[in-house]
Amino acid sequence: GPKVLQIPSHQIIDMGQMVTLNCDPVSNHLYFYWYKQILGQQMEFLVNFYNGKVMEKSKLFKDQFSVERPDGSYFTLKIQPTALEDSAVYFCASGGTDSGNTLYFGEGSRLIVV
Amino acid sequence: QQQVRQSPQSLTVWEGETAILNCSYEDSTFDYFPWYWQFPRESPALLIAIRPVSNKKEDGRFTIFFNKREKKLSLHITDSQPGDSATYFCAASDRGSALGRLHFGAGTQLIVIP
Repeated sequence: GPKVLQIPSHQIIDMGQMVTLNCDPVSNHLYFYWYKQILGQQMEFLVNFYNGKVMEKSKLFKDQFSVERPDGSYFTLKIQPTALEDSAVYFCASGGTDSGNTLYFGEGSRLIVV
Repeated sequence: QQQVRQSPQSLTVWEGETAILNCSYEDSTFDYFPWYWQFPRESPALLIAIRPVSNKKEDGRFTIFFNKREKKLSLHITDSQPGDSATYFCAASDRGSALGRLHFGAGTQLIVIP
């Protein structure tokens, strides 16, 4: 089926440094999402993005977070600066108008902030 | 406040038995309920979904039973197979468009013993 690719699969970073998580969504999809999953807990919505803009964000989407998709390239999540509580698996998802509410998820980027 | 709750947290059944996974939700405006399954080290993938216009959705061995009045639903897996062993997430969305954010439960880990 359709694939969402995420790079890197995992990263260890020092607290205070910047990290960029990359997502290659399903081609022709128009809606993009980031979810955060802390070990053993449910996935929680961070943000959705459409037509070059953030449409909705949750309270977990702190000021240190930003998203963009410049010129149809990767959909990115940037965290600057990182904090210890940012350690989690970040899942990217994409959806298209032909798939209704169906979201296709990537395999996640495991971020460890030390 | 957790919008979607799942039980049990973990479930073990023998091959051939029926596994029943439960889900309840808070917001009566939710109008789309997908179940995602996730195998270790893989991305969550859509398994089956239901909208409140019906109280049952069947796809092979997988059936969703939906009770709008009680705001509950359940996923029944008949003739369980070892390959069904995964974590199952119940989710809910309050919009009919692809912009709808998904609220996930914490998941039920299903183990099917051969």
